[in-house]
Amino acid sequence: GQNIDQPTEMTATEGAIVQINCTYQTSGFNGLFWYQQHAGEAPTFLSYNVLDGLEEKGRFSSFLSRSKGYSYLLLKELQMKDSASYLCAPMDSNYQLIWGAGTKLIIKP
Amino acid sequence: GAVVSQHPSWVICKSGTSVKIECRSLDFQATTMFWYRQFPKQSLMLMATSNEGSKATYEQGVEKDKFLINHASLTLSTLTVTSAHPEDSSFYICSAHRGAGATDTQYFGPGTRLTVL
Repeated sequence: GQNIDQPTEMTATEGAIVQINCTYQTSGFNGLFWYQQHAGEAPTFLSYNVLDGLEEKGRFSSFLSRSKGYSYLLLKELQMKDSASYLCAPMDSNYQLIWGAGTKLIIKP
Repeated sequence: GAVVSQHPSWVICKSGTSVKIECRSLDFQATTMFWYRQFPKQSLMLMATSNEGSKATYEQGVEKDKFLINHASLTLSTLTVTSAHPEDSSFYICSAHRGAGATDTQYFGPGTRLTVL
């Protein structure tokens, strides 16, 4: 079957660094996306990894290990506006995104 | 960057009426669009895959006669919720698939909040 495993909720302090881990199993693999979703809004694209390694984009970085079925999203210099749900979504062989419940990130002052 | 729009952004309707939601890719052609539904505090749930020029593929448990999908052009897909009932109240989100191979990305529309009274 296909499934995603992410922590349900994480708490971090403003200005700190947080890493959100994701393990996945899919039928085929065409890359993995990370999305940010604020309450009541549609997800917004953060990153896309298709090859192993780290992709850095400003305060956000995403890592992928295809052999381990593992990815993480690293958020640096946390800001209050980063409080949101973060969704790890691998794409299967049919180009469909497989969604989990996401990780709710709470940032405290 | 690529933009996907949805219209309307929110709609309130009476039980038994039909509601049409449009999803447009504004600056790219999308042969494939996806329709999702999200209930409060729950994950996105894929409803169907919309392919331009062919019938949509529905996920198990989604009634195709109730949720009519039409992908009339490479930039427009519509979802019609027929004979809506209060349990259909939800956040409906579309996404459009752009590109092929290593540069694939799905872009999401802003969503449509449907409230059925």
